[in-house]
Amino acid sequence: DQQVKQNSPSLSVQEGRISILNCDYTNSMFDYFLWYKKYPAEGPTFLISISSIKDKNEDGRFTVFLNKSAKHLSLHIVPSQPGDSAVYFCAASLNDRDDKIIFGKGTRLHILP
Amino acid sequence: DAGVIQSPRHEVTEMGQEVTLRCKPISGHDYLFWYRQTMMRGLELLIYFNNNVPIDDSGMPEDRFSAKMPNASFSTLKIQPSEPRDSAVYFCASSNGTDSSGANVLTFGAGSRLTVL
Repeated sequence: DQQVKQNSPSLSVQEGRISILNCDYTNSMFDYFLWYKKYPAEGPTFLISISSIKDKNEDGRFTVFLNKSAKHLSLHIVPSQPGDSAVYFCAASLNDRDDKIIFGKGTRLHILP
Repeated sequence: DAGVIQSPRHEVTEMGQEVTLRCKPISGHDYLFWYRQTMMRGLELLIYFNNNVPIDDSGMPEDRFSAKMPNASFSTLKIQPSEPRDSAVYFCASSNGTDSSGANVLTFGAGSRLTVL
């Protein structure tokens, strides 16, 4: 039973355009959401997070949007750059009740020249 | 700090053999997590520790898997006996709980790629 779902295994985007990665979750009690980026042969690295009390968080080219009613979040990367080609994992946590961090299966992003 | 250190980076073994994966968390971090990555299941949480105490091991697949954290700077994940379906990349991650934003941000090691023949 996947509590955090990334339904697109891969995505290809032209360099310079916007990349939109999507994530759905089932547990309405999650209070923090995080995105991690992973290059081959490396561990995932933290990218950006958002609290459940917010609907948007921005950091440079990266913006995360949260729609609690739809249990959906998305990561926007604009403009997309070649170095953004990686696997992106969505994660969620229940900080006040548990310290577990649950990850989705990941979406592989290809930035095309 | 050198980050989270995992060893070995690659392990190839035969079915039935014992496998031990090792992790050194970042100094001062009091949370340690073990994850397994496969194509089918993505990043699965196996077990996590807080202050060296196992808090939740519900993700450990079966009794063949065990994890220990004898002190704040070392943890092991053991598989005995190993099976081909255990082939995966195993990640260790550590954190010091929630940061100033409230998020529990993990720092991952580079992973241990296990192949069981």
